[in-house]
Amino acid sequence: DIQMTQSPSSLSASVGDRVIITCRPSQSINIHLNWYQQKPGKAPKLLIFGASNLQNGVPSRFSGSGSGTDFTLAISSLQPEDFATYYCQQSYSSPRTFGQGTKLEIK
Amino acid sequence: EVQLLDSGGGLVQPGGSLRLSCAASGFTFRTYAMTWVRQAPGKGLEWVSTITGSGGSTYYADSVKGRFTISRDNSNNTLYLQMNTLRAEDTAVYYCARDRSGGALSDHWGQGTLVTVSP
Repeated sequence: DIQMTQSPSSLSASVGDRVIITCRPSQSINIHLNWYQQKPGKAPKLLIFGASNLQNGVPSRFSGSGSGTDFTLAISSLQPEDFATYYCQQSYSSPRTFGQGTKLEIK
Repeated sequence: EVQLLDSGGGLVQPGGSLRLSCAASGFTFRTYAMTWVRQAPGKGLEWVSTITGSGGSTYYADSVKGRFTISRDNSNNTLYLQMNTLRAEDTAVYYCARDRSGGALSDHWGQGTLVTVSP
């Protein structure tokens, strides 16, 4: 199975900050990397698919980049509603696997 | 609007069985693969099982293979997960999700249903 490692595991930031979350798979996955946002008590929401494609309705302050074994999710100017947990997920090979999550908290 | 409504969770003893359901609406159900993902309390996301649109192919995580069965009723737009021989480690919120066409990723999720396996 492909192991997905996110960093950091938690992050404190302020409204208006730019933040970056990293995801590193244990082997190359081309661009088959997706990002989800999950708020407490809610289902995950797809933000980005194929490493850099914004899902319909997702604000443009979210962006993704990377390929192979190094990926990033960037949020350009944090809004109050962005404080949540973020997960990466590989769709390159079965079983699909998720990172352990990055909890983004208000500083 | 795509809607997925999970149901069927509850408290069950170890070794028991439970069947989860997911009622889908707002899209052509039979043309999409569907997936179950679970999340243990305070933990991350774990893929459980996927079924193709026709129902002809199914896939399982090793942790549930031989105990769980995914199925679907395309005439009633409903997805199921039959869970047998439940263990404490199966305790989780179970989400049904619609897979994005052509990829092993989920673009719409149900609200989740909690399964608790405890004596």
